[in-house]
Amino acid sequence: AQSVTQLDSHVSVSEGTPVLLRCNYSSSYSPSLFWYVQHPNKGLQLLLKYTSAATLVKGINGFEAEFKKSETSFHLTKPSAHMSDAAEYFCVVSDRMGNFNKFYFGSGTKLNVKP
Amino acid sequence: DSGVTQTPKHLITATGQRVTLRCSPRSGDLSVYWYQQSLDQGLQFLIQYYNGEERAKGNILERFSAQQFPDLHSELNLSSLELGDSALYFCASSVVGQAGYNEQFFGPGTRLTVL
Repeated sequence: AQSVTQLDSHVSVSEGTPVLLRCNYSSSYSPSLFWYVQHPNKGLQLLLKYTSAATLVKGINGFEAEFKKSETSFHLTKPSAHMSDAAEYFCVVSDRMGNFNKFYFGSGTKLNVKP
Repeated sequence: DSGVTQTPKHLITATGQRVTLRCSPRSGDLSVYWYQQSLDQGLQFLIQYYNGEERAKGNILERFSAQQFPDLHSELNLSSLELGDSALYFCASSVVGQAGYNEQFFGPGTRLTVL
């Protein structure tokens, strides 16, 4: 079975400094991987996705993630944090089960950005 | 706008009551997923439907039930409501298509308050 571990439940950075949100997964084969962002009282929005093309994936709002198969990791980074990045971030892995997908969510990382 | 709609946006009811939450997936998406998000439990997967059939069950209570109709919309029924059922309920949809086109799209959620 697939599983996803987000290594930090809370991360706090200062505005203008780099962001690193860590995600490790377990999978028996090449998975599809996603990062979603959720701002307070809002729905989840897709930030970026990896689906076996380039290992470095660029997403919206300056975020990117690198798929490292040897480390089974898919960490999310951003060079310079903005106050509007304060939100909860979910790492997700999916399994294709014939005609439909199953999705496995990490427990989430809450990002706090200090002025 | 993800293309997934959920009604109602807010619902306030009393303990012991029954409510129905509705979800319309994106046009062409055959899979519908339901999630519950509360402060103490985080984001929990409840149940998944594909083209009218139940495909996966998560942490769904016996007091809760769901179905997907022939027009692909889905309803989540919550009965004998308890204070602890107060949460945000999200619906998501997805489709298995070409490689890379398999992410979930989330609705804005229904906020349920049980008094």
